[in-house]
Amino acid sequence: DIVMTPSPLSLFVTPGEPASIPCRSSQLSHGHNYLDWYLQKPGKSPQLLIFLGSNRASGVPDRFNVSGSGTDFTLKISRVEAEDVGVYYCMQALETPITFGQGTRLEIK
Amino acid sequence: QVQLVQSGAEVMQPGDSVKISCKASGYTVTDHGIHWVRQAPGQSLEWLGWINSGNDNRRYSQKSQGRVTISRDTFANIAYMELSRLRSEDTGVYYCVRGADYYYDGSGHYRPRPLNYSGLDVWGQGTTVTVSS
Repeated sequence: DIVMTPSPLSLFVTPGEPASIPCRSSQLSHGHNYLDWYLQKPGKSPQLLIFLGSNRASGVPDRFNVSGSGTDFTLKISRVEAEDVGVYYCMQALETPITFGQGTRLEIK
Repeated sequence: QVQLVQSGAEVMQPGDSVKISCKASGYTVTDHGIHWVRQAPGQSLEWLGWINSGNDNRRYSQKSQGRVTISRDTFANIAYMELSRLRSEDTGVYYCVRGADYYYDGSGHYRPRPLNYSGLDVWGQGTTVTVSS
């Protein structure tokens, strides 16, 4: 199985400041970055943020971007807002079983 | 509006089986795959398996293989996930999710096709399953 290396468990960010959440996969992509990002807001189902490495899902603000390729990726939020709090998960979709990272909790200072 | 609506919370005893339904609206289950993901309390997300949009082909995680059965009723536009021989560690929230189909690549792996891939883009509201004696 492809293992998603743990990223920081928690991140405390001041509103308006940037935030970065890393994610590493144990296996290289095969020509396409099958790496997604999901946000689970408190008490809610996860929601898709980014798919295929860098494609924002419908309705996702452009302050969410991803850098990296191959096995190392970073989700970057240019200016954190209060509504961004929750747990961020990276997920590899390259092959089954689909696997998720352990999640990074973003909290506001 | 595209959405997945799941059945309600269940309280089960060890050894029981539970079957969760997931009704799709705004699209048909023959157009997209349905994946099942669970989340134990305070834990990350765990993929359980998937059913193909076109031909009922299924794929399960090795951990869930043998206890999980994913099915669907295309006429009713509903997908199901049944988990048998329940144990306490099966307690958690179970999600059905719309996603891509996976295809055998001839080298031992099931992979999506890039043109068809758009993430796990629609999630059900989750069904809480509690297993306790």
